[in-house]
Amino acid sequence: DAKTTQPPSMDCAEGRAANLPCNHSTISGNEYVYWYRQIHSQGPQYIIHGLKNNETNEMASLIITEDRKSSTLILPHATLRDTAVYYCIRNTNFGNEKLTFGTGTRLTIIP
Amino acid sequence: GAVVSQHPSRVICKSGTSVKIECRSLDFQATTMFWYRQFPKKSLMLMATSNEGSKATYEQGVEKDKFLINHASLTLSTLTVTSAHPEDSSFYICSASKNRAGGELFFGEGSRLTVL
Repeated sequence: DAKTTQPPSMDCAEGRAANLPCNHSTISGNEYVYWYRQIHSQGPQYIIHGLKNNETNEMASLIITEDRKSSTLILPHATLRDTAVYYCIRNTNFGNEKLTFGTGTRLTIIP
Repeated sequence: GAVVSQHPSRVICKSGTSVKIECRSLDFQATTMFWYRQFPKKSLMLMATSNEGSKATYEQGVEKDKFLINHASLTLSTLTVTSAHPEDSSFYICSASKNRAGGELFFGEGSRLTVL
């Protein structure tokens, strides 16, 4: 039970912003929202995480709704190398908690 | 970021043999490492949690005698697939935690096992 819901697939034009939604309506107060992505035949790569404030780093932005029931990962200028499966995961922030992966969103960047 | 390395990246073996996969944290110490298995076009499935100096904790349905995990040091965990069969063919991925607040996991490149 991954406890998050994501669309199975999305397309985005190269150069455009890719907005990936995630529903986590039963998230607990001490759970963060983490995003990872997996490029074909590679291990997952950490992207970003947040608790309730919006976050931004060199890879992406994370927008979390005020009620924390959903969030959106934004890749501001998608490139072909961003084609991957993106996973939204709820987890506490202790660092040694096992992650449960759902099915994720398969994002395809179109030239 | 931190680097986690797996070896080998690809291995082909005959049915009935055992295969060892290594997972190393190259620039940090990892008290806890995790082993995942991934079948084609499927998501990652957690197999076990590997704790340095103690026995691994296996997920329900994972045979501990078939998938031997050893975490002898703070930078190395190994997964041995014993008496491998074709149905064990899969992509095996490890991850490691720095065990501090901040919580992201760092993943290895994965090891693709093919059992003939």
